[in-house]
Amino acid sequence: DAKTTQPPSMDCAEGRAANLPCNHSTISGNEYVYWYRQIHSQGPQYIIHGLKNNETNEMASLIITEDRKSSTLILPHATLRDTAVYYCIVRVRDAGNNRKLIWGLGTSLAVNP
Amino acid sequence: NAGVTQTPKFQVLKTGQSMTLQCAQDMNHNSMYWYRQDPGMGLRLIYYSASEGTTDKGEVPNGYNVSRLNKREFSLRLESAAPSQTSVYFCASSDSYYGYTFGSGTRLTVV
Repeated sequence: DAKTTQPPSMDCAEGRAANLPCNHSTISGNEYVYWYRQIHSQGPQYIIHGLKNNETNEMASLIITEDRKSSTLILPHATLRDTAVYYCIVRVRDAGNNRKLIWGLGTSLAVNP
Repeated sequence: NAGVTQTPKFQVLKTGQSMTLQCAQDMNHNSMYWYRQDPGMGLRLIYYSASEGTTDKGEVPNGYNVSRLNKREFSLRLESAAPSQTSVYFCASSDSYYGYTFGSGTRLTVV
């Protein structure tokens, strides 16, 4: 089962910041949070990931709460091309110590003109 | 920079037919994965290969087999296709840190 909870859908005005929340209250101390997005039916695209500290790259910022039970993905200036399904995922280790991503249903973000 | 290449992109099979989905990556990643995605559901892991020479079952392995041919290639085989296997199939590869790189998918319909 997915270890994350996300709202099923959100709207955002073009040019404004999009803030996508994610709850992961059962996350363990060594488990990373990853964000991906999927545009139309293309393959998912990596956005950003983090463990404890806030992270920023050319695509987005990731804010992780101090207790690590939730996080927020921020797209600073959303464009129409950012319309996609955004997945918040916890990377876990299985019984064989292999890293795996457990996918939920994500948040469908609609960026409106 | 091709990344992860999947073939074919589309396929229609009759029930009982067999086929192999091909996947190749050029990023020298150790780990490779096969997922399926159905409407209203998240990606579900079918099989994965943590390194060359190893394969392991994921969440939904029944009806599928895999082969890690070498470090670059990871194939998924349907021996006797069933309508329940109609889905979009994604192959992915990863290194240990930066997450997964996905292919563009194979849209399979079993009639």
